[in-house]
Amino acid sequence: RKEVEQDPGPFNVPEGATVAFNCTYSNSASQSFFWYRQDCRKEPKLLMSVYSSGNEDGRFTAQLNRASQYISLLIRDSKLSDSATYLCVVNFISSGSARQLTFGSGTQLTVLP
Amino acid sequence: NAGVTQTPKFRVLKTGQSMTLLCAQDMNHEYMYWYRQDPGMGLRLIHYSVGEGTTAKGEVPDGYNVSRLKKQNFLLGLESAAPSQTSVYFCASSRGLAGGPTGELFFGEGSRLTVL
Repeated sequence: RKEVEQDPGPFNVPEGATVAFNCTYSNSASQSFFWYRQDCRKEPKLLMSVYSSGNEDGRFTAQLNRASQYISLLIRDSKLSDSATYLCVVNFISSGSARQLTFGSGTQLTVLP
Repeated sequence: NAGVTQTPKFRVLKTGQSMTLLCAQDMNHEYMYWYRQDPGMGLRLIHYSVGEGTTAKGEVPDGYNVSRLKKQNFLLGLESAAPSQTSVYFCASSRGLAGGPTGELFFGEGSRLTVL
């Protein structure tokens, strides 16, 4: 089982729609969580951190459910420019006591006009 | 604001050739990483470094070597390239916090390597 799993999609949604992605993680010792965005043929960039109480940044809302070991990203009023791949990232303590970041494979979103 | 710079951006190699990818960061970050990204596989960690002079293996280290002689530079070497190493390689860096990396990685633009 992968340590971080995402639905690869693709999610094709019309402009203005609300879309949500989930990401599950297997390591209960995971400490911190993030969503990254990667445009086609570009490098990943941090979109937002995910806090225990949930957090919002404009049209984007991130939530964490530690009991069920998943995080989610909600995009409201989607724009054409939101088309990208969204990567879930989990920071956990490895067996060697070092903190490591693990990336999910990403969920592809296409917003259609 | 250079951030993280990778060179070269594109390279075509023949099987068995060697090459080095250079990553440079100007943010004084402690942590540096080399990832490869393949379709459907996501980002996989090859090697990483927690500081000058130290390196460690990641998830897929075989066939690669690294060095971090200076804090700002992290080199990835392929001693004998194989077609399976055809991929997009990303370098990244991050600050340290309380004994580990923060979750904010700064990536270079990527290096596209094709091994024939």
